[in-house]
Amino acid sequence: QVQLQESGPGLVKPSETLSLTCTVSGGSINNYYWSWIRQPPGKGLEWIGYIFSRGSINYNPSLKSRVTMSVDTPKNQFSLKLRSVTAADTAVYYCARPIADYSSGGAWGSWGQGTLVTVSS
Amino acid sequence: DIQMTQSPSSLSASVGDRVSITCRASQSISSFLNWYQQKPGKAPKLLIDAASSLQSGVPSRFSGSGSGTDFTLTISSLQPEDFATYYCQQSYSTPLTFGGGTKVEI
Repeated sequence: QVQLQESGPGLVKPSETLSLTCTVSGGSINNYYWSWIRQPPGKGLEWIGYIFSRGSINYNPSLKSRVTMSVDTPKNQFSLKLRSVTAADTAVYYCARPIADYSSGGAWGSWGQGTLVTVSS
Repeated sequence: DIQMTQSPSSLSASVGDRVSITCRASQSISSFLNWYQQKPGKAPKLLIDAASSLQSGVPSRFSGSGSGTDFTLTISSLQPEDFATYYCQQSYSTPLTFGGGTKVEI
């Protein structure tokens, strides 16, 4: 069964760049659309974007100007960078995989445990 | 963007109750609608995809219905482990969007 694990700093200063990596184990990264989703404390879920294993990308327009996603197929990892962060970017960040390969639309059946990133000086 | 509106935002219920949560899309999304359950401190868990397809391992007391703009998640007999927050999510078009959530409380 595939497992996902987010990693990265838990504290980022305002105006700096948030960087997270999701490591996929128990399955291949190939042929899936890998998403990042975040959840501010006590609030709802927001889709940040996805990257396909071969590199095609789709970002949420609300974050598009600040987001970069990348994939490292040999390492079975994909990454998120969010630039110029503010306190509003404080959230639990999840990586997720859909239940079906080649499916870009969500129906995320596998999730990482989530990592809390706090933006504060 | 497609807006997803859930109602109610919270509800109080008892073990054994039948509970229904509705989700309305701002435009037709056919059956591209998924339901998740989230417990405190945990990642969301996919319950239902494509509006009515129950995921493997999810109890049969959960069911989903609807198409177009109006959808419903029903729990036929609420169990103690079902107290959680439920989210709908549309997978019709990007940006992929969620409803605001429904917290099911005792």
